[in-house]
Amino acid sequence: GAGVSQSPRYKVAKRGQDVALRCDPISGHVSLFWYQQALGQGPEFLTYFQNEAQLDKSGLPSDRFFAERPEGSVSTLKIQRTQQEDSAVYLCASSMRLAYEQYFGPGTRLTVT
Amino acid sequence: DQQVKQNSPSLSVQEGRISILNCDYTNSMFDYFLWYKKYPAEGPTFLISISSIKDKNEDGRFTVFLNKSAKHLSLHIVPSQPGDSAVYFCAATDTGNQFYFGTGTSLTVIP
Repeated sequence: GAGVSQSPRYKVAKRGQDVALRCDPISGHVSLFWYQQALGQGPEFLTYFQNEAQLDKSGLPSDRFFAERPEGSVSTLKIQRTQQEDSAVYLCASSMRLAYEQYFGPGTRLTVT
Repeated sequence: DQQVKQNSPSLSVQEGRISILNCDYTNSMFDYFLWYKKYPAEGPTFLISISSIKDKNEDGRFTVFLNKSAKHLSLHIVPSQPGDSAVYFCAATDTGNQFYFGTGTSLTVIP
Protein backbone atom coordinates (compact mmCIF):
# COMPACT_ATOMS: atom_id res chain seq x y z
CA GLY A 1 0.00 0.00 0.00
CA ALA A 2 1.03 3.62 -0.38
CA GLY A 3 3.08 5.02 2.44
CA VAL A 4 4.04 8.58 3.22
CA SER A 5 5.77 10.22 0.30
CA GLN A 6 7.89 13.36 0.25
CA SER A 7 9.21 15.48 -2.58
CA PRO A 8 11.74 16.43 -3.59
CA ARG A 9 14.03 13.81 -2.05
CA TYR A 10 17.00 16.13 -2.38
CA LYS A 11 17.12 19.89 -2.64
CA VAL A 12 20.11 22.17 -2.98
CA ALA A 13 19.38 25.83 -2.38
CA LYS A 14 21.57 28.88 -2.46
CA ARG A 15 21.60 30.88 0.75
CA GLY A 16 18.71 33.30 0.70
CA GLN A 17 16.47 31.25 -1.59
CA ASP A 18 13.00 30.10 -0.60
CA VAL A 19 12.19 26.38 -0.66
CA ALA A 20 8.98 24.36 -0.45
CA LEU A 21 8.94 20.75 0.71
CA ARG A 22 5.91 18.57 0.09
CA CYS A 23 4.45 15.72 2.10
CA ASP A 24 1.72 13.31 1.00
CA PRO A 25 0.53 11.43 4.08
CA ILE A 26 -1.18 8.06 4.15
CA SER A 27 -4.78 8.46 3.01
CA GLY A 28 -7.13 8.89 5.94
CA HIS A 29 -4.43 9.78 8.45
CA VAL A 30 -5.66 12.68 10.50
CA SER A 31 -2.41 13.70 12.17
CA LEU A 32 0.64 15.02 10.35
CA PHE A 33 3.99 15.94 11.82
CA TRP A 34 7.09 17.66 10.47
CA TYR A 35 10.53 16.98 11.93
CA GLN A 36 14.02 18.31 11.27
CA GLN A 37 16.91 15.86 11.57
CA ALA A 38 20.43 17.23 11.65
CA LEU A 39 23.37 14.98 10.92
CA GLY A 40 23.99 12.55 13.78
CA GLN A 41 20.90 13.65 15.67
CA GLY A 42 17.43 12.32 16.18
CA PRO A 43 14.37 13.89 14.57
CA GLU A 44 13.32 17.15 16.24
CA PHE A 45 9.68 18.18 16.29
CA LEU A 46 8.74 21.18 14.17
CA THR A 47 4.97 21.27 13.89
CA TYR A 48 1.78 19.20 14.11
CA PHE A 49 -1.51 19.24 12.21
CA GLN A 50 -4.78 17.56 12.99
CA ASN A 51 -6.65 17.63 9.70
CA GLU A 52 -6.16 21.16 8.38
CA ALA A 53 -5.64 22.73 11.80
CA GLN A 54 -2.08 23.48 12.88
CA LEU A 55 -2.33 22.67 16.56
CA ASP A 56 1.29 23.06 17.55
CA LYS A 57 4.03 25.00 15.82
CA SER A 58 6.25 25.52 18.81
CA GLY A 59 9.16 23.63 17.23
CA LEU A 60 9.53 25.89 14.20
CA PRO A 61 12.97 27.46 14.70
CA SER A 62 12.17 30.89 13.29
CA ASP A 63 9.51 32.88 11.48
CA ARG A 64 11.22 31.91 8.23
CA PHE A 65 9.58 28.50 8.61
CA PHE A 66 5.94 28.09 7.67
CA ALA A 67 3.79 24.99 7.25
CA GLU A 68 0.33 24.48 5.88
CA ARG A 69 -2.16 21.70 5.22
CA PRO A 70 -5.09 23.54 3.66
CA GLU A 71 -7.30 20.58 2.80
CA GLY A 72 -6.27 18.26 5.58
CA SER A 73 -4.19 15.95 3.39
CA VAL A 74 -1.08 17.18 1.56
CA SER A 75 1.19 19.45 3.58
CA THR A 76 3.90 21.89 2.55
CA LEU A 77 6.78 23.11 4.68
CA LYS A 78 8.16 26.37 3.38
CA ILE A 79 11.46 27.90 4.40
CA GLN A 80 12.09 31.48 3.39
CA ARG A 81 15.51 33.05 2.95
CA THR A 82 17.31 29.79 3.64
CA GLN A 83 20.42 29.83 5.82
CA GLN A 84 23.23 27.29 6.08
CA GLU A 85 21.96 26.13 9.46
CA ASP A 86 18.73 25.01 7.76
CA SER A 87 20.66 22.18 6.08
CA ALA A 88 19.13 18.97 7.39
CA VAL A 89 16.79 16.14 6.50
CA TYR A 90 13.15 17.16 6.84
CA LEU A 91 10.90 14.27 7.76
CA CYS A 92 7.15 14.12 7.53
CA ALA A 93 5.08 11.58 9.46
CA SER A 94 1.39 10.80 9.67
CA SER A 95 -0.74 8.81 12.06
CA MET A 96 -4.32 7.74 12.58
CA ARG A 97 -6.56 9.55 15.03
CA LEU A 98 -5.71 8.75 18.65
CA ALA A 99 -2.72 6.62 17.62
CA TYR A 100 0.80 7.27 18.75
CA GLU A 101 2.55 5.23 16.09
CA GLN A 102 3.74 7.46 13.27
CA TYR A 103 4.52 6.47 9.73
CA PHE A 104 7.45 8.38 8.31
CA GLY A 105 8.26 9.39 4.79
CA PRO A 106 11.78 9.02 3.39
CA GLY A 107 12.60 12.65 4.07
CA THR A 108 13.88 15.56 2.00
CA ARG A 109 17.58 16.29 2.35
CA LEU A 110 18.06 20.05 2.12
CA THR A 111 21.52 21.44 1.53
CA VAL A 112 21.98 25.19 1.67
CA THR A 113 25.17 26.42 0.02
CA ASP B 1 18.09 20.25 26.50
CA GLN B 2 17.88 16.60 25.49
CA GLN B 3 14.90 15.01 27.21
CA VAL B 4 15.52 11.59 25.67
CA LYS B 5 19.05 10.22 25.61
CA GLN B 6 20.68 7.27 23.97
CA ASN B 7 24.17 7.21 25.37
CA SER B 8 25.55 4.45 23.18
CA PRO B 9 26.07 5.68 19.62
CA SER B 10 26.87 2.18 18.39
CA LEU B 11 26.59 -1.48 19.31
CA SER B 12 27.94 -4.65 17.68
CA VAL B 13 26.46 -8.07 18.37
CA GLN B 14 27.02 -11.55 16.98
CA GLU B 15 24.18 -13.07 15.00
CA GLY B 16 21.96 -15.18 17.25
CA ARG B 17 22.89 -13.32 20.43
CA ILE B 18 20.81 -10.75 22.29
CA SER B 19 20.99 -7.05 21.40
CA ILE B 20 20.13 -4.61 24.19
CA LEU B 21 19.60 -0.97 23.31
CA ASN B 22 19.15 1.53 26.10
CA CYS B 23 17.36 4.83 26.45
CA ASP B 24 17.03 7.30 29.33
CA TYR B 25 14.61 10.16 29.74
CA THR B 26 14.30 13.10 32.08
CA ASN B 27 10.64 14.14 31.86
CA SER B 28 8.49 12.21 34.34
CA MET B 29 5.37 13.33 32.45
CA PHE B 30 6.18 11.12 29.48
CA ASP B 31 3.52 8.44 29.30
CA TYR B 32 4.17 6.65 26.03
CA PHE B 33 7.39 5.38 24.55
CA LEU B 34 8.27 4.08 21.11
CA TRP B 35 11.18 2.50 19.30
CA TYR B 36 11.86 3.17 15.64
CA LYS B 37 14.28 1.50 13.28
CA LYS B 38 15.95 3.41 10.47
CA TYR B 39 17.83 2.20 7.41
CA PRO B 40 20.02 4.62 5.41
CA ALA B 41 18.12 6.97 3.08
CA GLU B 42 14.77 5.88 4.52
CA GLY B 43 12.51 7.36 7.14
CA PRO B 44 12.21 5.72 10.57
CA THR B 45 9.90 2.70 10.79
CA PHE B 46 7.83 2.02 13.89
CA LEU B 47 8.98 -1.10 15.74
CA ILE B 48 7.35 -1.41 19.15
CA SER B 49 5.87 0.79 21.85
CA ILE B 50 4.91 0.75 25.52
CA SER B 51 2.54 2.72 27.68
CA SER B 52 3.67 3.96 31.07
CA ILE B 53 1.07 1.73 32.75
CA LYS B 54 3.08 -1.32 31.68
CA ASP B 55 6.63 -2.40 32.34
CA LYS B 56 7.05 -4.84 29.47
CA ASN B 57 5.75 -5.29 25.96
CA GLU B 58 6.73 -8.11 23.67
CA ASP B 59 6.33 -8.57 19.92
CA GLY B 60 8.08 -11.55 18.43
CA ARG B 61 11.84 -11.12 18.77
CA PHE B 62 11.44 -7.60 20.18
CA THR B 63 10.74 -6.76 23.81
CA VAL B 64 10.67 -3.33 25.37
CA PHE B 65 11.15 -2.88 29.11
CA LEU B 66 10.20 0.26 31.01
CA ASN B 67 11.57 1.20 34.42
CA LYS B 68 9.69 4.33 35.42
CA SER B 69 11.50 4.88 38.69
CA ALA B 70 14.82 4.91 36.85
CA LYS B 71 13.36 6.74 33.84
CA HIS B 72 14.92 4.09 31.66
CA LEU B 73 13.73 1.88 28.85
CA SER B 74 15.46 -0.78 26.85
CA LEU B 75 14.85 -2.72 23.68
CA HIS B 76 15.86 -6.37 23.57
CA ILE B 77 16.22 -8.17 20.27
CA VAL B 78 16.66 -11.91 20.49
CA PRO B 79 17.93 -13.65 18.51
CA SER B 80 19.65 -10.86 16.59
CA GLN B 81 19.76 -11.20 12.82
CA PRO B 82 21.93 -9.40 10.22
CA GLY B 83 18.79 -7.69 8.88
CA ASP B 84 18.41 -5.99 12.24
CA SER B 85 21.48 -3.86 11.47
CA ALA B 86 20.13 -0.30 11.45
CA VAL B 87 19.92 2.82 13.58
CA TYR B 88 17.43 2.55 16.43
CA PHE B 89 15.73 5.61 17.89
CA CYS B 90 13.70 5.73 21.07
CA ALA B 91 10.99 8.37 21.37
CA ALA B 92 8.70 9.60 24.12
CA THR B 93 5.60 11.74 24.39
CA ASP B 94 3.45 13.27 27.11
CA THR B 95 0.68 14.74 25.02
CA GLY B 96 0.61 12.77 21.83
CA ASN B 97 1.42 15.99 19.96
CA GLN B 98 5.13 16.45 20.57
CA PHE B 99 7.43 13.47 20.35
CA TYR B 100 10.98 13.65 21.63
CA PHE B 101 13.60 11.44 20.00
CA GLY B 102 16.98 10.24 21.18
CA THR B 103 20.07 10.58 19.01
CA GLY B 104 20.00 6.94 17.95
CA THR B 105 22.10 3.82 18.39
CA SER B 106 23.63 2.17 15.35
CA LEU B 107 23.32 -1.61 15.69
CA THR B 108 25.53 -3.93 13.67
CA VAL B 109 24.75 -7.63 13.77
CA ILE B 110 27.76 -9.62 12.68
CA PRO B 111 27.02 -12.83 10.74
